[in-house]
Order: sequence, then C-alpha cells, then structure tokens
Amino acid sequence: AQTVTQSQPEMSVQEAETVTLSCTYDTSESDYYLFWYKQPPSRQMILVIRQEAYKQQNATENRFSVNFQKAAKSFSLKISDSQLGDAAMYFCAYGDAGGTSYGKLTFGQGTILTVHP
Amino acid sequence: DAGVTQSPTHLIKTRGQQVTLRCSPKSGHDTVSWYQQALGQGPQFIFQYYEEEERQRGNFPDRFSGHQFPNYSSELNVNALLLGDSALYLCASSYERGAYEQYFGPGTRLTVT
Repeated sequence: AQTVTQSQPEMSVQEAETVTLSCTYDTSESDYYLFWYKQPPSRQMILVIRQEAYKQQNATENRFSVNFQKAAKSFSLKISDSQLGDAAMYFCAYGDAGGTSYGKLTFGQGTILTVHP
Repeated sequence: DAGVTQSPTHLIKTRGQQVTLRCSPKSGHDTVSWYQQALGQGPQFIFQYYEEEERQRGNFPDRFSGHQFPNYSSELNVNALLLGDSALYLCASSYERGAYEQYFGPGTRLTVT
C-alpha cells in the first residue's frame, strides 16, 4: 500500500521569506501523480501544484515550486515570497496513474504553516 | 461556474443513528470521491463513484455506503453511527476517475454524541 509521510507537523516563516515543506512517499508503482493541497482554517481544500512522476522537470506555479526526487521518493514544496494568505495546513498527496488504486488519493498528515508579518 | 457543493454544513447525530450527506460535483465532472478527515489529520479515502457505480473503496466498514445519481451528484450514508465517526466529510469531484485535478467541496462537519 502507498504511504505518504510529512515529518514537519508545524513550520513558520516570515512574510516575504522562503519556506520548504517536506514530503516522502512509498510506492512500488512507476507511474503516479503527486500533489500539494492547501487547507486554510475552516475553508476548503485547494490544489496548489501537481507533479507527474514520468516528468523529469519540476512543476512550478507562480511562487510555488516542487523538488521531485523520484529515486529518493521525496517531494518537497517551496513557497517563495511568502504571504500572509499562505498560512494554512498543507497536505502532500499521492495518486496512482493506473491499476487497481487509480482514482484514490493518499494523503500525508499535514504541515501547519504559520506566516509572521 | 459552481464548484463542488456539499450539504449540510454541520450535523449533530446521536450514536446509533443514520446520516446522509450530499454532494454536487463541479460542472462537467462525472466522478465523485468521498474522504473522511478527523481533526488535525489528513483525509482518508472512503470510496469513489463513477457511472453510478462504486469503483474504488478504502478501508471503511460496510456501515459506509454511497450512491451516485444520473446527474453525477452523490450521497454518503453512514449507519449505526459511532463516536469515532465524528469528522469532516469531504467530497471531491474530477473527470473520469482521474487521481489528478480532484476539486474538493467545503465539507460536512459531523458530530456524533
């Protein structure tokens, strides 16, 4: 079974600074997707960024970028120029690209990000 | 363009009762997944519906059941409620059972007393 581990329960960053959230996963599949979701307090989950495992290039979405290390099964999220609105719980998630588990997302335990003004 | 909607927002039930939660997918989406999120934890996959059939199921007992209607909306039913069923229940919609681009609703907060 696939597992996702986020080893940082809490992180904090100063506004305008850069922060990196860590995620590792375990799978025997070669083709899969990885995601970072953001869940602000009492608000709904929003997809931040997605990475396809077959792509060598790391995904980037504006101030958000990932460092995908397939051999190490590592998938970290870097937030540049942090803003107060970035404060939220961040979840790393894994999804198979095919096979019997296709369509199911497996989430990590989450990292609470605090942004200080 | 309406996103994923869920009803009700909050619900309080007594142990042993039954509950039905509802979800309307984002316009154009045909697949609905349900997740249970305990306080301070990551969401846990319950099941997924596509073409009105359950296509994937997580490690949840048969007390959890669902349904998908021809208009792609979905219901989650939980029978014989336990205190441990208290959680935020999230619905997510997507195209064709895709594990990618799952859009989440705001959730239903269920409290079992």
